[in-house]
Amino acid sequence: DAEITQSPRHKITETGRQVTLACHQTWNHNNMFWYRQDLGHGLRLIHYSYGVQDTNKGEVSDGYSVSRSNTEDLPLTLESAASSQTSVYFCASSDGASGIVEQFFGPGTRLTVL
Amino acid sequence: KNQVEQSPQSLIILEGKNCTLQCNYTVSPFSNLRWYKQDTGRGPVSLTIMTFSENTKSNGRYTATLDADTKQSSLHITASQLSDSASYICVVSTDSNYQLIWGAGTKLIIKP
Repeated sequence: DAEITQSPRHKITETGRQVTLACHQTWNHNNMFWYRQDLGHGLRLIHYSYGVQDTNKGEVSDGYSVSRSNTEDLPLTLESAASSQTSVYFCASSDGASGIVEQFFGPGTRLTVL
Repeated sequence: KNQVEQSPQSLIILEGKNCTLQCNYTVSPFSNLRWYKQDTGRGPVSLTIMTFSENTKSNGRYTATLDADTKQSSLHITASQLSDSASYICVVSTDSNYQLIWGAGTKLIIKP
């Protein structure tokens, strides 16, 4: 069955370190998204991609970067981790077809920055 | 500013009872409204997606309603089960499928 996976599921790092969170989908979807979820807030969009070599900034992109070298993967990099980036990170994907399309979510990565 | 507000923040009901969760939005332009279920430690899973022309949509024991004039939606859960314990999130999309405006969710706890 097609799925979307994230790794690691849990990560503890120190302030100032570079961290990369992996996202891999086997849906063959063109669109991929990264969100963060903080207590008391809705999901907030960090970056998104409409296809290979395409990346776009979302609502809260400062301090984060992504690259899309193939259809299946969209890794999220925190260049220099900060305590404010402690959060749960979700990756999602959706078909690039026209009309209303559903987003499918991975299980999340819980990141703690000490 | 585009916003989605949900109420109540949390709700506890007994197994077998019905409940209704509310969503108010100030989003323009409006394309569609979605309800997601998020189990603890998991990613959100879509329950329903409605356009402005749809005022009711069901998915098993879940029934969503939409009033595009008053910009309100509700999610009604019938005959609740323990597995319904989760957060329920209302999400509104503008003219794009790709950028969604998320509510903070209602945390529902079903007690036996």
